[in-house]
Amino acid sequence: EAQVTQNPRYLITVTGKKLTVTCSQNMNHEYMSWYRQDPGLGLRQIYYSMNVEVTDKGDVPEGYKVSRKEKRNFPLILESPSPNQTSLYFCASSFEGLTEAFFGQGTRLTVV
Amino acid sequence: DQQVKQNSPSLSVQEGRISILNCDYTNSMFDYFLWYKKYPAEGPTFLISISSIKDKNEDGRFTVFLNKSAKHLSLHIVPSQPGDSAVYFCAASETGANNLFFGTGTRLTVIP
Repeated sequence: EAQVTQNPRYLITVTGKKLTVTCSQNMNHEYMSWYRQDPGLGLRQIYYSMNVEVTDKGDVPEGYKVSRKEKRNFPLILESPSPNQTSLYFCASSFEGLTEAFFGQGTRLTVV
Repeated sequence: DQQVKQNSPSLSVQEGRISILNCDYTNSMFDYFLWYKKYPAEGPTFLISISSIKDKNEDGRFTVFLNKSAKHLSLHIVPSQPGDSAVYFCAASETGANNLFFGTGTRLTVIP
């Protein structure tokens, strides 16, 4: 089954404690991206990757890092999480940058 | 500043009637537009797209209209069904760029 898998689905953490949200896709897609969804703001792009070892900033990259060492995986790293990073996060993948994207089920992160 | 706007946070429609969801954008360089549907506790799923070389694209009960001069697009669902109840996001991008801008979403409720 074609899918994008994010883990964990839910996470509560404390300010400053590094965390990683994993994202994996099984469709051999070249393009992957991360979004955060906040009330009243919709989905905002954090980072995207056009292929292995190629990443670039989206709309709201501050406080986040990503890596793309393999085609299927695109982890999101919060080196020092802060409460304003409490949000619902989605990973997505597609064959090309802006064509139909497949989204993961989301990760709800709470930073206290 | 929000480059893609969905000014109606919610919309209620009777089953069998037409649902019209609206979206406005401010960036005249945007030339590719997409609609996504999102159910609770799931990631967004792609619905339909349109390129700026067209003014209409149809897929079954779903039709997207694009008015470039007004920087406006709309999604028509005919006939509306209770299973269409979800949050609908429009998104826009520019050819050559690789980031996607989403609106804030419209919650559609189809009343049986």
